[in-house]
Amino acid sequence: AQSVTQLDSQVPVFEEAPVELRCNYSSSVSVYLFWYVQYPNQGLQLLLKYLSGSTLVKGINGFEAEFNKSQTSFHLRKPSVHISDTAEYFCAVSGGTGGFKTIFGAGTRLFVKA
Amino acid sequence: EAQVTQNPRYLITVTGKKLTVTCSQNMNHEYMSWYRQDPGLGLRQIYYSMNVEVTDKGDVPEGYKVSRKEKRNFPLILESPSPNQTSLYFCASSLSGRAYEQYFGPGTRLTVT
Repeated sequence: AQSVTQLDSQVPVFEEAPVELRCNYSSSVSVYLFWYVQYPNQGLQLLLKYLSGSTLVKGINGFEAEFNKSQTSFHLRKPSVHISDTAEYFCAVSGGTGGFKTIFGAGTRLFVKA
Repeated sequence: EAQVTQNPRYLITVTGKKLTVTCSQNMNHEYMSWYRQDPGLGLRQIYYSMNVEVTDKGDVPEGYKVSRKEKRNFPLILESPSPNQTSLYFCASSLSGRAYEQYFGPGTRLTVT
């Protein structure tokens, strides 16, 4: 079965520092990969997605992610974070052997400190 | 405005009392889905629907029912709620599942005592 592992449950970082949120997935075939963000007391919204093609994907709010097929990873990065980036971030996978199912990781809580 | 709406937003109920959480989207999306969010577990898919009258189980379907009689609506039914179904529930929709972005509703916080 397909799965998603987010390697850090919490990531504290100072404002204007770079950040990387790590996501590994397991699948024997090609899948679609997503990063969503959840601000406090809100639903989720899409940051970016990888379907095929270029392995570097750019999303909203200055975030980007790199798809690495050999390491089955899809890490999220931002070169300089703001206080407003404090939120929970979820990596998700769909397609492949899971068909129309979507599997989410457990989430990474990003704390940006002044 | 394109949106996914859920009702109610908050619900406290007792064990065994049947309840329905409604979900509606106005984007003419084919794919709709229900998730529950629990601390440390992320979102887990309960059921999804690829179109009218087409539904399938997600990873945690036990204790839940769904129906898709109209394209815009996808209600979640708990016929006999139990305390372990206390959770935050999200409805989502997308154009056609898999490769498409999902749009999420605001969530329904359910407490079963």
